[in-house]
Parts: sequence; C-alpha cells; structure tokens
Amino acid sequence: GAGVSQSPSNKVTEKGKDVELRCDPISGHTALYWYRQSLGQGLEFLIYFQGNSAPDKSGLPSDRFSAERTGGSVSTLTIQRTQQEDSAVYLCASSLGRGQGLLNTEAFFGQGTRLTVV
Amino acid sequence: SQQGEEDPQALSIQEGENATMNCSYKTSINNLQWYRQNSGRGLVHLILIRSNEREKHSGRLRVTLDTSKKSSSLLITASRAADTASYFCATPEVDNSNYQLIWGAGTKLIIKP
Repeated sequence: GAGVSQSPSNKVTEKGKDVELRCDPISGHTALYWYRQSLGQGLEFLIYFQGNSAPDKSGLPSDRFSAERTGGSVSTLTIQRTQQEDSAVYLCASSLGRGQGLLNTEAFFGQGTRLTVV
Repeated sequence: SQQGEEDPQALSIQEGENATMNCSYKTSINNLQWYRQNSGRGLVHLILIRSNEREKHSGRLRVTLDTSKKSSSLLITASRAADTASYFCATPEVDNSNYQLIWGAGTKLIIKP
C-alpha cells in the first residue's frame, strides 16, 4: 500500500479481554517495528521483525504480549487478559530493512491504534 | 531501547520565533534522523543527516551534527502554530546485522499564536 496501515484506529476493551492489533507495512519493507506510547511519553520499543522472524523481543512487557508476522508482511500484536496499564497508543513502523544500508533505515509509521482498557 | 536524549523536554515560544531542540546520543552513529509527531499519532520523518555532514537544511529546518560531542540540534526558523508537535531524534544501531532505530524521549514544542 501507499503507507503503513494500522487497524483498528481506536479500541476500547474491558479489563481481562484479549485484543488483537493489526499492522500492514509498506510493500517491500522487510523490517517492522511495534512501539507503545503512553500519553505525553516517548516511544517504548516492543518488538522488531526482520521478515517473519523477530530478532529482538526484548521490549515485550510481559508474557501477555505476543506478536507474529506472516508472509513477511502483515503483523499482529496480541495482548491477552488486558490490564488498565496496557492503555496506550500502539504504533507500528516499517523500513526497508537489512541489507539496504543504514541510510535507508528511515521509518514509516502508521497512525497507531489507541487502546483503552476500562 | 532509547539512546538519544532530547532537551528541552518541553519548549513554548511565540509564533515567529526560532525554536531549537537538542539531541545527544551515546554510541558511534552512521546517521541521525529527526521526526515529528502530531497529536500522539504516527511519526513523520523530517530530515536525515549523515555522520560526515555537519549541517543540513530543509525549508525552515536546519539540523547540525557534532560527532565529537555526540549531539545534534534541530532549529525551526520563523515558527508557525502548525509546528506545534513533539520532535524526536533517532539513530540506527546495528546488532548482528539487524538494524534498529534507537529513539530519544522527544521534545514537546508549543507555538503560541
């Protein structure tokens, strides 16, 4: 597609429910990143994909969080048994990725999913 | 993970004035990038400066890089209300041939009309 697409744009869920967030990166971008951003804060790194594999999962805050990427394209971030502290904007970004050189590491962001756990 | 640190954390100026934000980083870099974020949504790439460049311009934006001090500055001249946003710096880090962008905490810029 023309840009990174995330869905839904807003999600309100009850505490304890599972949610699934989706990210459609730019076609041809092999690197995909998930970040979380609480109100007024910086970016909190969650996970990074190169193709379908995740070399760095170090940012996932707990085992309730998981992510997968299939076909080197769409990625889903799943949060199980949501808690109120999970409320944040979840941002996805993609870039050209490994082998394209460090000058091509510009990240293209989606508009994010605003998750509210009530 | 975050490497860069922006300062100030917040900046409020009158429309028409110049705004300067700074970013410091810790390791050697290949390039440094500045991004803007409006209203807590997706970030937009503004400008990339290479490690062998000292200054770069794009419209009303001027970025400098001092690799000896491991710092960069973003200057917005003749600020406008529409420049109100958060500004982040980022540097690519190589780890086992995988590239990641390492982000600063951001500067929140408010332009008062």
